[in-house]
Amino acid sequence: KQEVTQIPAALSVPEGENLVLNCSFTDSAIYNLQWFRQDPGKGLTSLLLIQSSQREQTSGRLNASLDKSSGRSTLYIAASQPGDSATYLCAVRPSFYNTDKLIFGTGTRLQVFP
Amino acid sequence: SQTIHQWPATLVQPVGSPLSLECTVEGTSNPNLYWYRQAAGRGLQLLFYSVGIGQISSEVPQNLSASRPQDRQFILSSKKLLLSDSGFYLCAWSTAGTSVTYEQYFGPGTRLTVT
Repeated sequence: KQEVTQIPAALSVPEGENLVLNCSFTDSAIYNLQWFRQDPGKGLTSLLLIQSSQREQTSGRLNASLDKSSGRSTLYIAASQPGDSATYLCAVRPSFYNTDKLIFGTGTRLQVFP
Repeated sequence: SQTIHQWPATLVQPVGSPLSLECTVEGTSNPNLYWYRQAAGRGLQLLFYSVGIGQISSEVPQNLSASRPQDRQFILSSKKLLLSDSGFYLCAWSTAGTSVTYEQYFGPGTRLTVT
């Protein structure tokens, strides 16, 4: 059974710091991994999608890496800003399912203070 | 561009009352549709998914049901709500097909409180 874990559960940092959020999964048989952002009381915004054949994806100040064999992904946020405060979720798409079902971690709640 | 709508945004219902949450997608045809629930302190859990009109798959046994009466409409229902049905319900869509590259896109969610 695929399980996804995110560490840390919560993180509070001053503005300007570079951050690393961690995601680990127990079964390396995945099609892809997706990182999302969720603001309080809101839906999910897709940040980055990494295919199983890729090592990393970049979008602006965000960089996500994937090491499928070790079951790990990291989301790197450069020069953090207060507007980055949100919960960050990772999700994997297991390759043994017939649909694009996602298995989610419980998230990392990030607070960036001025 | 594609847009996904959910309503209502918030809902407070007594135990034993019925439920109907609606999700619609614009700007795409024949999407795969999903209902997720996010309970307090827990991760998102897939409840139902649909690959076409009238085609519903249930992921977990529960007090809820889903229907897809139209291509871009997905409805989550219950005949009698339980306290444990409280949570944040999210609808999502993805492009249909066999490609493994498709992302899932989420709606704004419905906050359900059962009292």
